[in-house]
Amino acid sequence: DIQMTQSPSTLSASVGDRVTITCRASQSISSWLAWYQQKPGKAPKLLIYKASSLESGVPSRFSGSGSGTEFTLTISSLQPDDFATYYCQQYNTYYWTFGQGTKVEIK
Amino acid sequence: EVQLVESGGGLVQPGGSLRLSCAASGFTFSRYWMSWVRQAPGKGLEWVANIKQDGSEKYYVDSVKGRFTISRDNAKNSLYLQMNSLRAEDTAVYFCASLKGQDYWGQGTLVTVSS
Repeated sequence: DIQMTQSPSTLSASVGDRVTITCRASQSISSWLAWYQQKPGKAPKLLIYKASSLESGVPSRFSGSGSGTEFTLTISSLQPDDFATYYCQQYNTYYWTFGQGTKVEIK
Repeated sequence: EVQLVESGGGLVQPGGSLRLSCAASGFTFSRYWMSWVRQAPGKGLEWVANIKQDGSEKYYVDSVKGRFTISRDNAKNSLYLQMNSLRAEDTAVYFCASLKGQDYWGQGTLVTVSS
């Protein structure tokens, strides 16, 4: 099974900060990676698919990069609405895996 | 408007069974893979199962293989998850989702396994 490891687990940042979250796969997944945002009590929301493609309607301050086993999600200028938990998810096969999540907190 | 509405959650004793349902509307259900994803209280997301459009292919996370069965009824626009031999570690909110080619999630239904 493919394991996904996110870092950090928690991130404290201020509005306007540039934020980067890393996701590592235990084996190559090409570009079959998505990033989700989840707020408490809500379903996750897709931000990025195929490693770097921005989902329609998602602000351009979100971007994704990487391929193979190393991926990053970057928020160029953190906004108040961005404080949430972020998950990477691989879909290289039909056996999917999520990372353990990164909680972005207010500093 | 796309809607995925789960039902069937509740409190069940260890070793018991539950059947979750998900009613889909607002999109052509039969054209899409469907999934179940769960989230234990205060924990992260865990993919549970996928099913192909016609039900001919099904995939499960190792921890539920042999205990859970995903199925669908395209005539009723419905997705199901039959959960047997439930364990305390199966306690979670279960989301119905359409994530292949689109991003639609239900609101989730809580399953609590406890004596």
